[in-house]
Amino acid sequence: GAGVSQSPSNKVTEKGKDVELRCDPISGHTALYWYRQRLGQGLEFLIYFQGNSAPDKSGLPSDRFSAERTGESVSTLTIQRTQQEDSAVYLCASSLVLGGEKLFFGSGTQLSVL
Amino acid sequence: SQQGEEDPQALSIQEGENATMNCSYKTSINNLQWYRQNSGRGLVHLILIRSNEREKHSGRLRVTLDTSKKSSSLLITASRAADTASYFCATAARSGAGSYQLTFGKGTKLSVIP
Repeated sequence: GAGVSQSPSNKVTEKGKDVELRCDPISGHTALYWYRQRLGQGLEFLIYFQGNSAPDKSGLPSDRFSAERTGESVSTLTIQRTQQEDSAVYLCASSLVLGGEKLFFGSGTQLSVL
Repeated sequence: SQQGEEDPQALSIQEGENATMNCSYKTSINNLQWYRQNSGRGLVHLILIRSNEREKHSGRLRVTLDTSKKSSSLLITASRAADTASYFCATAARSGAGSYQLTFGKGTKLSVIP
Protein backbone atom coordinates (compact mmCIF):
# COMPACT_ATOMS: atom_id res chain seq x y z
CA GLY A 1 0.00 0.00 0.00
CA ALA A 2 0.91 3.67 -0.17
CA GLY A 3 1.50 4.04 3.54
CA VAL A 4 1.21 2.36 6.92
CA SER A 5 -2.41 1.54 7.66
CA GLN A 6 -3.83 1.03 11.15
CA SER A 7 -7.26 -0.14 12.20
CA PRO A 8 -9.48 0.67 13.89
CA SER A 9 -8.90 4.41 13.98
CA ASN A 10 -10.73 4.64 17.28
CA LYS A 11 -11.68 1.96 19.79
CA VAL A 12 -13.79 2.38 22.90
CA THR A 13 -13.93 -0.60 25.22
CA GLU A 14 -14.94 -1.49 28.73
CA LYS A 15 -12.43 -2.23 31.43
CA GLY A 16 -11.58 -5.93 31.48
CA LYS A 17 -12.28 -6.58 27.80
CA ASP A 18 -9.63 -7.70 25.30
CA VAL A 19 -8.78 -5.55 22.27
CA GLU A 20 -6.88 -6.26 19.07
CA LEU A 21 -5.21 -3.53 17.04
CA ARG A 22 -4.04 -4.07 13.49
CA CYS A 23 -1.17 -2.64 11.47
CA ASP A 24 -0.46 -3.05 7.75
CA PRO A 25 3.11 -1.88 7.06
CA ILE A 26 4.43 -0.55 3.79
CA SER A 27 5.05 -3.43 1.39
CA GLY A 28 8.69 -4.50 1.47
CA HIS A 29 9.45 -2.97 4.86
CA THR A 30 11.13 -5.59 6.98
CA ALA A 31 11.03 -3.73 10.30
CA LEU A 32 7.83 -2.95 12.20
CA TYR A 33 7.47 -1.08 15.48
CA TRP A 34 4.66 -0.48 17.95
CA TYR A 35 4.65 2.60 20.19
CA ARG A 36 2.23 3.93 22.78
CA GLN A 37 1.59 7.63 23.29
CA ARG A 38 -0.35 8.88 26.29
CA LEU A 39 -1.99 12.28 26.05
CA GLY A 40 0.60 15.06 25.85
CA GLN A 41 3.49 12.63 26.22
CA GLY A 42 6.25 11.25 24.06
CA LEU A 43 6.29 7.87 22.34
CA GLU A 44 6.87 4.81 24.50
CA PHE A 45 8.47 1.86 22.67
CA LEU A 46 6.52 -1.39 22.99
CA ILE A 47 7.83 -4.01 20.56
CA TYR A 48 9.89 -4.36 17.40
CA PHE A 49 9.81 -6.98 14.62
CA GLN A 50 12.59 -7.47 12.10
CA GLY A 51 12.02 -10.05 9.37
CA ASN A 52 12.07 -13.57 10.78
CA SER A 53 14.25 -12.68 13.78
CA ALA A 54 12.92 -12.94 17.29
CA PRO A 55 11.03 -9.74 18.16
CA ASP A 56 12.40 -7.25 20.69
CA LYS A 57 9.66 -7.28 23.34
CA SER A 58 11.59 -5.26 25.90
CA GLY A 59 9.07 -2.40 25.93
CA LEU A 60 5.89 -4.35 26.62
CA PRO A 61 4.59 -2.99 29.97
CA SER A 62 2.99 -6.20 31.24
CA ASP A 63 2.06 -9.72 30.21
CA ARG A 64 -1.38 -8.42 29.22
CA PHE A 65 0.29 -7.03 26.11
CA SER A 66 1.33 -9.23 23.20
CA ALA A 67 1.96 -8.80 19.50
CA GLU A 68 2.35 -10.99 16.48
CA ARG A 69 3.55 -10.48 12.97
CA THR A 70 3.13 -12.86 10.05
CA GLY A 71 6.34 -12.80 8.04
CA GLU A 72 6.87 -9.26 6.78
CA SER A 73 3.21 -8.34 6.62
CA VAL A 74 0.39 -7.55 9.01
CA SER A 75 0.94 -7.18 12.74
CA THR A 76 -1.61 -7.32 15.54
CA LEU A 77 -1.18 -5.89 19.02
CA THR A 78 -3.42 -7.52 21.61
CA ILE A 79 -4.20 -6.09 25.02
CA GLN A 80 -5.96 -8.49 27.37
CA ARG A 81 -8.11 -7.45 30.33
CA THR A 82 -7.79 -3.77 29.47
CA GLN A 83 -7.31 -1.22 32.24
CA GLN A 84 -8.03 2.51 32.20
CA GLU A 85 -4.31 3.28 32.15
CA ASP A 86 -4.12 1.51 28.77
CA SER A 87 -6.01 4.46 27.24
CA ALA A 88 -3.64 6.04 24.71
CA VAL A 89 -2.87 6.32 21.01
CA TYR A 90 -1.13 3.19 19.73
CA LEU A 91 1.15 3.97 16.82
CA CYS A 92 2.63 1.53 14.35
CA ALA A 93 5.63 2.32 12.16
CA SER A 94 7.64 0.46 9.57
CA SER A 95 11.06 0.93 8.03
CA LEU A 96 12.86 -0.53 5.07
CA VAL A 97 15.82 -2.00 6.88
CA LEU A 98 17.22 -2.83 10.26
CA GLY A 99 19.34 -0.19 11.91
CA GLY A 100 17.23 2.62 13.31
CA GLU A 101 16.51 4.16 9.94
CA LYS A 102 13.67 6.49 8.98
CA LEU A 103 10.28 5.33 10.22
CA PHE A 104 6.99 5.68 8.40
CA PHE A 105 4.08 5.98 10.83
CA GLY A 106 0.44 5.07 10.59
CA SER A 107 -2.24 7.41 11.90
CA GLY A 108 -2.62 5.41 15.07
CA THR A 109 -5.46 3.82 17.00
CA GLN A 110 -7.00 5.92 19.76
CA LEU A 111 -7.91 3.45 22.52
CA SER A 112 -10.29 4.57 25.25
CA VAL A 113 -10.93 2.22 28.16
CA LEU A 114 -14.01 3.17 30.17
CA SER B 1 13.41 4.92 29.60
CA GLN B 2 13.64 8.39 28.08
CA GLN B 3 16.71 8.86 25.90
CA GLY B 4 16.00 12.15 24.14
CA GLU B 5 14.80 15.18 26.04
CA GLU B 6 13.54 18.18 24.09
CA ASP B 7 13.80 21.73 25.24
CA PRO B 8 11.73 23.86 25.46
CA GLN B 9 8.53 21.92 26.12
CA ALA B 10 6.53 24.65 24.40
CA LEU B 11 7.47 27.53 22.10
CA SER B 12 5.33 30.32 20.72
CA ILE B 13 6.62 32.63 17.99
CA GLN B 14 5.35 35.05 15.35
CA GLU B 15 5.15 34.00 11.73
CA GLY B 16 8.40 34.79 9.94
CA GLU B 17 10.57 34.29 13.01
CA ASN B 18 12.99 31.40 13.44
CA ALA B 19 12.24 28.55 15.84
CA THR B 20 14.97 26.60 17.61
CA MET B 21 14.39 23.37 19.50
CA ASN B 22 17.01 21.38 21.36
CA CYS B 23 17.42 17.72 22.17
CA SER B 24 19.77 16.10 24.67
CA TYR B 25 20.44 12.39 25.02
CA LYS B 26 22.39 10.08 27.27
CA THR B 27 24.05 7.19 25.43
CA SER B 28 26.03 6.65 22.24
CA ILE B 29 23.87 6.77 19.16
CA ASN B 30 23.95 5.62 15.54
CA ASN B 31 21.83 8.50 14.33
CA LEU B 32 19.38 11.14 15.53
CA GLN B 33 16.12 11.95 13.78
CA TRP B 34 13.51 14.69 14.02
CA TYR B 35 9.81 14.05 13.50
CA ARG B 36 6.76 16.25 13.37
CA GLN B 37 3.31 15.39 14.71
CA ASN B 38 0.07 17.18 13.98
CA SER B 39 -2.99 16.72 16.16
CA GLY B 40 -1.59 13.87 18.24
CA ARG B 41 -1.65 11.20 15.54
CA GLY B 42 0.90 9.89 13.03
CA LEU B 43 4.43 11.28 12.98
CA VAL B 44 6.20 12.44 9.85
CA HIS B 45 9.94 12.07 9.45
CA LEU B 46 11.73 15.39 8.84
CA ILE B 47 15.46 14.75 8.84
CA LEU B 48 18.10 12.22 9.92
CA ILE B 49 21.65 13.07 10.98
CA ARG B 50 24.25 10.37 11.51
CA SER B 51 26.69 10.29 14.40
CA ASN B 52 29.60 11.24 12.12
CA GLU B 53 27.80 14.30 10.74
CA ARG B 54 27.73 17.72 12.37
CA GLU B 55 25.14 19.64 10.36
CA LYS B 56 22.46 18.92 7.83
CA HIS B 57 19.98 21.05 5.88
CA SER B 58 16.64 20.30 4.28
CA GLY B 59 14.67 23.25 2.92
CA ARG B 60 13.93 25.57 5.86
CA LEU B 61 15.26 23.01 8.34
CA ARG B 62 18.76 22.97 9.77
CA VAL B 63 19.88 20.27 12.19
CA THR B 64 23.12 20.21 14.15
CA LEU B 65 24.60 17.37 16.16
CA ASP B 66 27.27 17.65 18.86
CA THR B 67 28.18 14.14 19.98
CA SER B 68 30.63 15.43 22.60
CA LYS B 69 27.77 17.26 24.32
CA LYS B 70 25.21 14.62 23.36
CA SER B 71 22.90 17.27 21.97
CA SER B 72 21.15 18.31 18.78
CA SER B 73 19.22 21.34 17.65
CA LEU B 74 16.51 21.81 15.04
CA LEU B 75 16.16 25.24 13.48
CA ILE B 76 13.13 26.15 11.41
CA THR B 77 13.73 29.38 9.53
CA ALA B 78 11.06 31.85 8.39
CA SER B 79 8.33 29.98 10.25
CA ARG B 80 4.79 29.70 8.91
CA ALA B 81 1.48 29.10 10.65
CA ALA B 82 1.47 25.65 9.03
CA ASP B 83 4.61 24.76 11.01
CA THR B 84 2.46 24.64 14.17
CA ALA B 85 2.89 21.09 15.47
CA SER B 86 4.78 19.01 18.02
CA TYR B 87 8.38 18.17 17.17
CA PHE B 88 10.14 15.08 18.51
CA CYS B 89 13.74 13.99 18.43
CA ALA B 90 14.47 10.28 18.27
CA THR B 91 17.79 8.59 18.89
CA ALA B 92 18.79 5.29 17.31
CA ALA B 93 20.94 3.17 19.59
CA ARG B 94 21.65 -0.49 20.24
CA SER B 95 19.15 -1.99 22.67
CA GLY B 96 19.85 -4.69 25.21
CA ALA B 97 18.40 -7.19 22.77
CA GLY B 98 21.01 -6.21 20.18
CA SER B 99 18.67 -4.53 17.74
CA TYR B 100 18.49 -0.81 17.05
CA GLN B 101 15.77 1.01 18.93
CA LEU B 102 14.45 4.45 18.15
CA THR B 103 13.74 6.21 21.44
CA PHE B 104 11.63 9.36 21.36
CA GLY B 105 11.61 12.37 23.64
CA LYS B 106 8.49 14.10 24.97
CA GLY B 107 8.50 16.71 22.24
CA THR B 108 8.39 20.47 21.82
CA LYS B 109 5.01 21.99 21.07
CA LEU B 110 5.51 24.82 18.57
CA SER B 111 2.85 27.44 17.96
CA VAL B 112 3.38 29.90 15.10
CA ILE B 113 1.08 32.89 15.36
CA PRO B 114 -0.02 34.44 12.06
